[in-house]
This record gives sequence, structure tokens and C-alpha cells, in this order.
Amino acid sequence: QVQLQQSGPGLVKPSQTLSLTCAISGDSVSSNSAEWNWIRQSPSRGLEWLGRTYYRSKWYNENAESVRSRITINPDTTKNQFSLQLNSVSSEDTAVYYCARSLNDDQAFDFWGQGTMVTVSS
Amino acid sequence: DIQMTQSPSTLSASVGDRVTITCRASESVSRWLAWYQQKPGKAPKVLIYKASSLESGVPSRFSGSGSGTEFTLTISSLQPDDFATYYCQQGHTLWTFGQGTKVEIK
Repeated sequence: QVQLQQSGPGLVKPSQTLSLTCAISGDSVSSNSAEWNWIRQSPSRGLEWLGRTYYRSKWYNENAESVRSRITINPDTTKNQFSLQLNSVSSEDTAVYYCARSLNDDQAFDFWGQGTMVTVSS
Repeated sequence: DIQMTQSPSTLSASVGDRVTITCRASESVSRWLAWYQQKPGKAPKVLIYKASSLESGVPSRFSGSGSGTEFTLTISSLQPDDFATYYCQQGHTLWTFGQGTKVEIK
């Protein structure tokens, strides 16, 4: 059974960097069939996919246009986890952040982390 | 971006009712459409993927249909555990979600 365990701070100051980590058990971040995603949810924006990283003989990243200039998603093969960094945050980035797995064959998110409420405030 | 529009936004129903939720895409997503159930304070849970494939462990009262731009999620006989918010999600071109349909007790 795949489990995703999120960690990271719940409060970030405006203009600073939001950083979260998602630890994977029951699968590998280097899997050739899985993709590792970050999704957020807020009352104003609903569910919003932010980006993903995945391995297909080499590492790939894809990000949503809305955050493309500010986002970095990195795999960590030594710890079997992946991370999210979102730069220059504002109050608009206040949301619950989730990590999630998708499979290439299904294009759906089948396992999710527990969610982290991140508030951007001074 | 492909826009996903769900209807209705809120649905009032009773236990035992047949419930249908519609999702429309702004352009064709073929059959790359998933449905999720979310309860307060929890992550979404996938019910249906590839428009009509039932996720393992999901009760058979949930079913999905459609292709292209129009899709439906049907709950054949609403159970107490089914009162929740439901989302559609396209996986044809990156990913976008619908705005959600809240199923509440009538």
C-alpha cells in the first residue's frame, strides 16, 4: 500500500519561499510508471494542480502555467521523497497543499498525502 | 487550459435516491476523466478513472460514463456515507479539476 507523508511549515511570510516535502512508502520516486505531483486547494481557486516530477530513463518536470516562474519540484532518490518549493509567496498562495501519485496509464491521482495547511502571513 | 464545469453546484438528496452529476470539458479530453469524493478535512479519494473504470475498493453503486466533452457520475442508491463533495478532473492535457458538487441531505 502506497503512503505519502507530508512535512513542512504551516506559516510562511510574504515574499519568502514555501517548502514542503512528501515522503513515499510502498513505491519509488524513480518508478517508471508513476508521477509525483503537488496539488493545492483553496476556497477561491478550488483544486489546482501545481506540477509534477517523474522518471522515464531520465527526470522530467511539468508545471502549471499559473506558478511556472516560481515553482521547483525535486526528487530525492536517497530518501525516496520529493519536494515543493514555491518562491515569492503572497496571500494568494494560502491553501491546503497535497502531494499525490498518478500513474501514466490512468491519469488520475490514486494516493494522496494528508494535506498541509499553509498560511502566508507576516 | 482545459476548463471543467460541473453541474449542479449543490444537490439535495435523500438516502436511496439515484444521483447524477454532470461534468463538461471546454474541449475534448477523450476518456481521460476521473471522479473524486472529498469529505471535510480529508484529501480527495478517487472513485472513477478513465471515465468509467471503478477504482479498486469503491462500491459498485458508483458509476461513470461519457467521452469527449460530456461526462456523468451516477450514484445508483445514495447511502449515508456518500454525503460529500464530488469533483471531476481531466487528465488529457496536464490536469484541471471541476469546481465541485456538494451532495447534501434533503
